[in-house]
Amino acid sequence: QPQLQESGPGQVKASETLILTCTVSGVSFSSSSYYWDWIRQPPGKGLEWIGSVTYSGSTYYNPSLKSRVTISVDTSKNQFSLKLSSVAAADTAVYYCARQARGPGYWFDPWGQGTLVTVSS
Amino acid sequence: QSVLTQPPSVSAAPGQKVTISCSGSSSNIGNNYVSWYQQLPGKAPKFLIYDDYNRPSGIPDRFSGSKSGTSATLGITGLQTGDEADYYCGTWDSSLSAAVFGTGTKVTVL
Repeated sequence: QPQLQESGPGQVKASETLILTCTVSGVSFSSSSYYWDWIRQPPGKGLEWIGSVTYSGSTYYNPSLKSRVTISVDTSKNQFSLKLSSVAAADTAVYYCARQARGPGYWFDPWGQGTLVTVSS
Repeated sequence: QSVLTQPPSVSAAPGQKVTISCSGSSSNIGNNYVSWYQQLPGKAPKFLIYDDYNRPSGIPDRFSGSKSGTSATLGITGLQTGDEADYYCGTWDSSLSAAVFGTGTKVTVL
């Protein structure tokens, strides 16, 4: 069973860049059948898709965040990363990494345990 | 602001059935497949249903999915206290070019 684990600072200052890494284990990272995604959830609120990266480095971003987001992949380490620039209080959330499987449709499975990032002033 | 609308909460007694609706439009549910997720308190979401109505291995058949037009539905039968959680629908929105999730529904077992 694949496992995903987020890592990174739990607090970031406003206007700075949030950087998180997701380490993938138990599955071949280099498969064209999957995308690797970041999803976030503000405290007490719903889920928001941030974006995806493929093992070859192709990226897909939520248009609402595209100007501030960069997702990259390091296949040698079985890791993919999220950079979110110019953060503000509204970016405070639990950030999840997840594998996106694709059939006729797509779905997210499994998910990492999530990491809370607080933006401070 | 989510483009997929779910009821904030539903409830029923143990052993009973609940249904959770997910309402969208032709740019999302109407032309793309729907998935469903269960989020237990303080936990990461867990995948329940894919491609509108398919259950992955390990998900009990108490959970079912369906879709009609621009709305999807998750059903839970034989309700258990362990089913108390938030449930989210998800799909792709072709107009937004983004994956989208529903507003979420809290299931309470009375």
